[in-house]
Amino acid sequence: KQEVTQIPAALSVPEGENLVLNCSFTDSAIYNLQWFRQDPGKGLTSLLLIQSSQREQTSGRLNASLDKSSGRSTLYIAASQPGDSATYLCAGRSGGGADGLTFGKGTHLIIQP
Amino acid sequence: GAGVSQSPRYKVAKRGQDVALRCDPISGHVSLFWYQQALGQGPEFLTYFQNEAQLDKSGLPSDRFFAERPEGSVSTLKIQRTQQEDSAVYLCASSLGLQEGQPQHFGDGTRLSIL
Repeated sequence: KQEVTQIPAALSVPEGENLVLNCSFTDSAIYNLQWFRQDPGKGLTSLLLIQSSQREQTSGRLNASLDKSSGRSTLYIAASQPGDSATYLCAGRSGGGADGLTFGKGTHLIIQP
Repeated sequence: GAGVSQSPRYKVAKRGQDVALRCDPISGHVSLFWYQQALGQGPEFLTYFQNEAQLDKSGLPSDRFFAERPEGSVSTLKIQRTQQEDSAVYLCASSLGLQEGQPQHFGDGTRLSIL
């Protein structure tokens, strides 16, 4: 069964810094991995999806990587802004895609103005 | 709006009552998923549908939980004889299909409180 762990649980950095959020998973036969952000009282907003054959995906200031052999994914945020403050969740799909997403507990990110 | 829509946004019920939560997926999305999110935790998978077929219900915590999608679009999650541990946010997600490159898109959820 896929298990997903996110480190750190919380992070507070000054505006403008670059930062990295970490995600590890136990099943290397991962089908794809998706990064989300969740604002308080809201649902999840999809940020990036990396397929099993890909190593990274980029969208604006965000870059996500996937290393199946080590069971790790990272989300890199460049030039952080106060609007980036949210909880970031990573989630993997396994079972050849037949399973639902397995989520980590998230990283609560605060960007200080 | 073209997103996933869930209703109600908030639901308060007394222990023992039955509740029904609705999900309107993005038009044309074949796959529909339900998740349960406890406070401070990541969402946990409950069940999913491919069109009207419920292909996996392994995450449903008990036989008090029942989900349906009779016409392959709108889905309802029903909880019978609610208990306090059912209090959580219930999230619905949809995707075009199960292909590797298809992301899941989430609604804002229904926050269920059982008194």
